[in-house]
Amino acid sequence: TQLLEQSPQFLSIQEGENLTVYCNSSSVFSSLQWYRQEPGEGPVLLVTVVTGGEVKKLKRLTFQFGDARKDSSLHITAAQPGDTGLYLCAGGYSTLTFGKGTMLLVS
Amino acid sequence: KAGVTQTPRYLIKTRGQQVTLSCSPISGHRSVSWYQQTPGQGLQFLFEYFSETQRNKGNFPGRFSGRQFSNSRSEMNVSTLELGDSALYLCASSFGSGYEQYFGPGTRLTVT
Repeated sequence: TQLLEQSPQFLSIQEGENLTVYCNSSSVFSSLQWYRQEPGEGPVLLVTVVTGGEVKKLKRLTFQFGDARKDSSLHITAAQPGDTGLYLCAGGYSTLTFGKGTMLLVS
Repeated sequence: KAGVTQTPRYLIKTRGQQVTLSCSPISGHRSVSWYQQTPGQGLQFLFEYFSETQRNKGNFPGRFSGRQFSNSRSEMNVSTLELGDSALYLCASSFGSGYEQYFGPGTRLTVT
């Protein structure tokens, strides 16, 4: 069974701060996806990383896929209140395995 | 392009009852997957349907079942509800295996 561990579980920061959240596994994934979920809504896909070592930028968000394709990180620069939400990583081909997420609160 | 829609958005049921949830995928998507989300377990895969056939199934009891229609719309059914079935049930659609999945807003089921 492929498992994804996310850390930290909860993060509370002030507007303007930088942060990094992590997604780790002992298994190799062909790709990893990052989602953001707001209360009462479904997850919204932010990015898919496919190639080991790949870095993708989405405005203030930077996603990196580990060289061995077992881990990924999400870095947010100058966090804003609109970044508040549950950040989930997921991997798999036809069925997604999700980590339990990092709950980010920006105030 | 319309997103994934799920109905109803909220549902309250009593233990022992059964419930049916509905999902309409994005137009052109033939794969529909269902997930259960709880605070303790996070998001867990229930099953996937593609062209009216169940292609994958997660580790859930037989009380959880689903089906897909020829227009790709899908329903899931939970029989003999238990308190532990209280959760957010999410549906996701995609073109197929290996393609990105797009989630609906979910159905919040509360079992009392």
